[in-house]
Amino acid sequence: KNQVEQSPQSLIILEGKNCTLQCNYTVSPFSNLRWYKQDTGRGPVSLTIMTFSENTKSNGRYTATLDADTKQSSLHITASQLSDSASYICVVSANTGFQKLVFGTGTRLLVSP
Amino acid sequence: EAQVTQNPRYLITVTGKKLTVTCSQNMNHEYMSWYRQDPGLGLRQIYYSMNVEVTDKGDVPEGYKVSRKEKRNFPLILESPSPNQTSLYFCASSFLDPGDTQYFGPGTRLTVL
Repeated sequence: KNQVEQSPQSLIILEGKNCTLQCNYTVSPFSNLRWYKQDTGRGPVSLTIMTFSENTKSNGRYTATLDADTKQSSLHITASQLSDSASYICVVSANTGFQKLVFGTGTRLLVSP
Repeated sequence: EAQVTQNPRYLITVTGKKLTVTCSQNMNHEYMSWYRQDPGLGLRQIYYSMNVEVTDKGDVPEGYKVSRKEKRNFPLILESPSPNQTSLYFCASSFLDPGDTQYFGPGTRLTVL
């Protein structure tokens, strides 16, 4: 069964600290993996996209990694800011002749001053 | 400005009273989709459309209808809403298929009493 599991479910860190969010998937055949940021009360916004051949991709203070062998991805946030407080959703696309999205339930991050 | 708009943003209604949530995108995207988001369950796909006049069921289609008469519009119809359809709804669009970056609307919070 295609599944995406994220950990932790929630996380509180102090402003300025780094953190890493995890995403494990059992989606096959793998097409790509995206991380979305969802601010409270708003729609998700794409942060990064990772394809099979990519190991690391950065978007400002956000760095995503992908290990296609172990089917794991991480999102590292450097020097966190209050505006990083949001839910982060991992979405894996399966190429079953038609792209099928499998959503994780998200990690809720709170950055405390 | 490229965007996906939804209306209304908030709606409180009663069981059985038909309602429509509108969705419109100005990016000339082929693919559009509706999701519902519930605590602990993440985003679940209700219906999607690959193109005008082409719609198909997602993972949780029961109790919902959609139509795609024009490329830019993709309304969600609840013929006879029930309390278990109380949720946060998101419309999204992408260039060709769901494997492309999804652009989400701001969300519609629906409460069915």
